[in-house]
Amino acid sequence: KNEVEQSPQNLTAQEGEFITINCSYSVGISALHWLQQHPGGGIVSLFMLSSGKKKHGRLIATINIQEKHSSLHITASHPRDSAVYICAVSRGFHTGTASKLTFGTGTRLQVTL
Amino acid sequence: DVKVTQSSRYLVKRTGEKVFLECVQDMDHENMFWYRQDPGLGLRLIYFSYDVKMKEKGDIPEGYSVSREKKERFSLILESASTNQTSMYLCASHSAGSTSPLHFGNGTRLTVT
Repeated sequence: KNEVEQSPQNLTAQEGEFITINCSYSVGISALHWLQQHPGGGIVSLFMLSSGKKKHGRLIATINIQEKHSSLHITASHPRDSAVYICAVSRGFHTGTASKLTFGTGTRLQVTL
Repeated sequence: DVKVTQSSRYLVKRTGEKVFLECVQDMDHENMFWYRQDPGLGLRLIYFSYDVKMKEKGDIPEGYSVSREKKERFSLILESASTNQTSMYLCASHSAGSTSPLHFGNGTRLTVT
């Protein structure tokens, strides 16, 4: 079983729909990251959170540390939101500095008109 | 804006060739990482570095080496490329000891024939 599991693997939505992507993890973490990868490869960091909830524009990320679960919500989805969304967890600090990440395999989202 | 630049977007190499993948960041980040991304497997850590001349193995270091002679540059070396090293390679960096997110390069798609 992977340490970080995402669901669903693929998601198709119509423009304007509310979207939820889920991430569950099985290890102790210091932070959880949500990343966005557009076709062509570049990855952008959307959120880094260790508790509660964060919001940026139409994106909302929540985390429940006790349940080891996080969700990424997209309100009023738009075709430009089409991308792969990746959940990753920081497994704490190694040698006091660098924080290694473990990644989920991603959720491929397509938003159609 | 943080910029992480990977020297090549696409590379085609022959089996047995020595391959250098270069990554440069312009934000004085201490930590730098090399990942490979394969369908169904997500991103996997090859090597990381938390300081000049310091390096540590990630989860899949076999067949790779790295070099960090200057703080801004982190090189991934395939000593003798093999077809199973055909993949997307992503470099990332972030500042040590802070809550700053990871910043990724655009990736290098390497094909070994």
